[in-house]
Amino acid sequence: EVQLVESGGGLVKPGGSLRLSCATSGFTFSVYNMNWVRQAPGKGLEWVSSISTMNSYIYYADSVKGRFTISRDNAKKSVYLQMNSLRAEDTAIYFCARVKYSGSYYFDLWGLGTLVTVSS
Amino acid sequence: SYVLTQPPSVSVAPGQTARITCGTSNIGNKGVHWYQQKPGQAPLLVVYDDGDRPSGIPERFSGSNSGDTATLTISRVEAGDEADYYCQVWGGGNDRLNFVFGSGTKVTVL
Repeated sequence: EVQLVESGGGLVKPGGSLRLSCATSGFTFSVYNMNWVRQAPGKGLEWVSSISTMNSYIYYADSVKGRFTISRDNAKKSVYLQMNSLRAEDTAIYFCARVKYSGSYYFDLWGLGTLVTVSS
Repeated sequence: SYVLTQPPSVSVAPGQTARITCGTSNIGNKGVHWYQQKPGQAPLLVVYDDGDRPSGIPERFSGSNSGDTATLTISRVEAGDEADYYCQVWGGGNDRLNFVFGSGTKVTVL
């Protein structure tokens, strides 16, 4: 079965750190660019970060640049998001998403998400 | 950077047609993708590249894109179509990767 399963969310104090993981199965992980997308409570979707197949290209949204680090392990078929200097506004469900390209990039597969709450 | 404008809500009776718009300047020059998200669930891709459907998505879901407006059309609406719908474009360039989502439209089936 093709799936993405996020883990690592939880409650953390402002200024703290958290590392999210996304384990994948059912497809050839190494040939896909992978992303993190978040959704604050009751709000819309916000792209967070993207990593290419061989770590050649890494991008971040301006809102997390310098604080978050995306990485991947093709042998473990997993992608990670290290989140440092967390702020209240980082509170959200974090989704792992696979990207496809056909003239334009879109997210064709999503995990169920993991909740990150930043609060004192 | 793009700002994609969607109506906050659309209401439709069962069996009727729902149209959800997504607007920005010259969006017709971009590939537009649409996601359905039901409460407590992950988003689901329902239309990509303006009007193509992934495997398993009913033909009732269709899309178009021209000028300053892209449209997701849901024909013969069913109760199970009640959800939030988001449009998305890729605002990429040589030095950055930028995925932009619309603000979302809540579809209510009356």
